[in-house]
Amino acid sequence: RKEVEQDPGPFNVPEGATVAFNCTYSNSASQSFFWYRQDCRKEPKLLMSVYSSGNEDGRFTAQLNRASQYISLLIRDSKLSDSATYLCVVTLNTGGFKTIFGAGTRLFVKA
Amino acid sequence: EADIYQTPRYLVIGTGKKITLECSQTMGHDKMYWYQQDPGMELHLIHYSYGVNSTEKGDLSSESTVSRIRTEHFPLTLESARPSHTSQYLCASSRQTEAFFGQGTRLTVV
Repeated sequence: RKEVEQDPGPFNVPEGATVAFNCTYSNSASQSFFWYRQDCRKEPKLLMSVYSSGNEDGRFTAQLNRASQYISLLIRDSKLSDSATYLCVVTLNTGGFKTIFGAGTRLFVKA
Repeated sequence: EADIYQTPRYLVIGTGKKITLECSQTMGHDKMYWYQQDPGMELHLIHYSYGVNSTEKGDLSSESTVSRIRTEHFPLTLESARPSHTSQYLCASSRQTEAFFGQGTRLTVV
């Protein structure tokens, strides 16, 4: 079993749709959680951190459920420019911090 | 903007050549990583380092080697390039949690 698992995708949605990405992690010692965005042929970049209390940045909302070891990302009113791959990222301390990336879920937003 | 740099951005090289991919960061981060990523595919961790003189192999077996003689520098070397090494190589660094990526080196071995 992979340490971080994401919806396989791809997600094809029309502009204006609401889309939700799910992610689960296997190591209960995981400490920090993030969503990264990777555009085609570009490097991944941090989209937002994920906190237990949930956090929102404009149209993007991230949630963390430590008991279920589950992370989500919700995008409201999706735009063409949201088309990208979204990576779930978990950091755990194994005597030194280790960052683990999920395989990513590709999103295509169409006009 | 993150201060992590990779060179070259693109490299086309013949089979059997020795190559070194450079990665440098000016953020003073202890942890550095090399990932391999084929187009449209997931990132695979091939090497990481927790600090100077510390290097570990990642989850994906790789014929490459790395060194960490200075905090800011984490080069990756292929002694004898093969077509199967054709891929994108991404370097990243972090202090505690958030990872910053370089722009990557797209390697083609012909």
